[in-house]
Amino acid sequence: AQSVTQLDSQVPVFEEAPVELRCNYSSSVSVYLFWYVQYPNQGLQLLLKYLSGSTLVKGINGFEAEFNKSQTSFHLRKPSVHISDTAEYFCAVTSNTGKLIFGQGTTLQVKP
Amino acid sequence: EAGVTQSPTHLIKTRGQQATLRCSPISGHTSVYWYQQALGLGLQFLLWYDEGEERNRGNFPPRFSGRQFPNYSSELNVNALELEDSALYLCASSLEGTDSDTQYFGPGTRLTVL
Repeated sequence: AQSVTQLDSQVPVFEEAPVELRCNYSSSVSVYLFWYVQYPNQGLQLLLKYLSGSTLVKGINGFEAEFNKSQTSFHLRKPSVHISDTAEYFCAVTSNTGKLIFGQGTTLQVKP
Repeated sequence: EAGVTQSPTHLIKTRGQQATLRCSPISGHTSVYWYQQALGLGLQFLLWYDEGEERNRGNFPPRFSGRQFPNYSSELNVNALELEDSALYLCASSLEGTDSDTQYFGPGTRLTVL
């Protein structure tokens, strides 16, 4: 069975600093990996996804993530964050049953 | 292009009542998914409909049910509401329902059970 662990529940960072949100997954089969962002009182917005090919994936709003099969990780990074990046971030993996399995989420708090 | 829409935005019910939540997928998408986001429990998969058929359901009691209409819109019904059903219910749609398919989410319906 697949599972996702987001290693940090909250990540405080100052504006214009780099940030990394960590995600590890567990699966016995090939996976597809996603990062979604949820702003307050809104639904989920896709940031980026890894299906195959290059292990470095670029997404919207300057975010990127690197798929590491040996470490079963899919960490999300941004070189310079803005106040507007304050939100909750979810890592997810698809199972072979159509559903997304989500991590518990990481709250990114960007401080001025 | 319009995204996934959900109605109502907010819904307040009392314990024991029934709630009906609605979802319209992105035009051309045939798969609809429902998720529950409850405080402290994270995002949990509820149901998946594709081409009018229920393809999979999560670990929820039978009082959670739904259907998909010929126009691919979907309804989630929750019977005999309990206090712990209070949550944000998110609907998502995808083009084909394959594992590599991206699920696009709506804004959610906030259900409050009093």
